[in-house]
Amino acid sequence: DIQLTQSPSFLSASVGDRVTITCRASQVIRSYLAWYQQKEGKAPKLLIYATSTLQRGVPSRFSGSGSGTGFTLTISSLQPEDFATYYCQQLNAYPHSFGQGTKVEIK
Amino acid sequence: EVQLVESGGGLVQPGGSLRLSCLGSGFIFDDFVLHWVRQAPGKGLEWVSSISWNGRDIHYADSVRGRFTISRDNRKNSLFLQMDNLRIDDMASYFCAKGMGILGGAFDYWGQGTLVAVSS
Repeated sequence: DIQLTQSPSFLSASVGDRVTITCRASQVIRSYLAWYQQKEGKAPKLLIYATSTLQRGVPSRFSGSGSGTGFTLTISSLQPEDFATYYCQQLNAYPHSFGQGTKVEIK
Repeated sequence: EVQLVESGGGLVQPGGSLRLSCLGSGFIFDDFVLHWVRQAPGKGLEWVSSISWNGRDIHYADSVRGRFTISRDNRKNSLFLQMDNLRIDDMASYFCAKGMGILGGAFDYWGQGTLVAVSS
């Protein structure tokens, strides 16, 4: 099975900050990586799929990059509504594992 | 508008059974892979099971294989998860989710979740 490790697990940042979250896979997953945002008590929301493709309606301050086993989610200028938990997920093979999550909180 | 609405959660004793349902609307139901994902209280997301558009290709997490059964009824736009021999560590919110395409892909729409509580 493919394990995904996100770092950091917790991040404290201010509005306007540039934020980067890393997701590392235990084996090559090509470009089959997605990023989700989850707010407290809500369902996850798809932000990015296929490593770098922005889901319709997602603000352009979100971007994704990477290949092979290393991937990043970047928020170019953190907004108040971006404080949430972020998860990566690999879709290269079953089981479609998730990373453990990165909680982004207000500094 | 795409919508997924789960139902069937509740309180059950260890060893008991529950059947979750997910009703889809706003899309061509039998064109997409469908999934179940769960989240224990205060924990991260855990993929549980997936089923192909025609129900012939099914996958389970090791933690539920042999106890949970995923199925779908495309005539009724419905996805199901039969959960048997429930354990304390199955307690979670269960989300159904839609894949982006007939072959799978990222999970682009999610239901609001249904809570399964396992306690004696």
